[in-house]
Amino acid sequence: AQKVTQAQTEISVVEKEDVTLDCVYETRDTTYYLFWYKQPPSGELVFLIRRNSFDEQNEISGRYSWNFQKSTSSFNFTITASQVVDSAVYFCALSEAWPGDMRFGAGTRLTVKP
Amino acid sequence: EPEVTQTPSHQVTQMGQEVILRCVPISNHLYFYWYRQILGQKVEFLVSFYNNEISEKSEIFDDQFSVERPDGSNFTLKIRSTKLEDSAMYFCASSEALLTAMEGNQPQHFGDGTRLSIL
Repeated sequence: AQKVTQAQTEISVVEKEDVTLDCVYETRDTTYYLFWYKQPPSGELVFLIRRNSFDEQNEISGRYSWNFQKSTSSFNFTITASQVVDSAVYFCALSEAWPGDMRFGAGTRLTVKP
Repeated sequence: EPEVTQTPSHQVTQMGQEVILRCVPISNHLYFYWYRQILGQKVEFLVSFYNNEISEKSEIFDDQFSVERPDGSNFTLKIRSTKLEDSAMYFCASSEALLTAMEGNQPQHFGDGTRLSIL
């Protein structure tokens, strides 16, 4: 069975601070996929990144970076130089192979204050 | 950019009534999903659908729920006899076909959701 844990319920930072959102997962599959989604106050779910279990390369996209470590079953998300517009709930999700339904973590509410 | 569209954005229904939530997935996508999010809680998987049949369903998706793809574009979720605890935001999602094993599970693109309120 798959499970995702986001231990940080809420994080509050001041603009321009760096912030890391933690995600720990459990799965018995050797092939699986990890995702991060952003849910702004307007409520929609915005896809940020997908990572395959066989690709441990870390990724950077602008101010966003992701650190995938299979040894610790973690897929952490860092926002560098945070901005007020980053305020949202961030969900980490896991899907095992076919049919790909995702199991979400409880989410981390990030508040960035000016 | 193509997107998943859901209607209505907000549905208010009396307890015990049937409700149908509608979704138009992205046109070249072949995998369809429904999720729900009770206010302030996490997003929960309900059901996945491929090749005109359910691929997987969660324990939440009991006999009161059904899904259908009545034509080439719509994907619907029906709740037969709504209960107060069905009040939630319901998200439809779709993803592309798998091209190769390496491609793996493609990202699911979500609609903006339908807020269902049961009175």
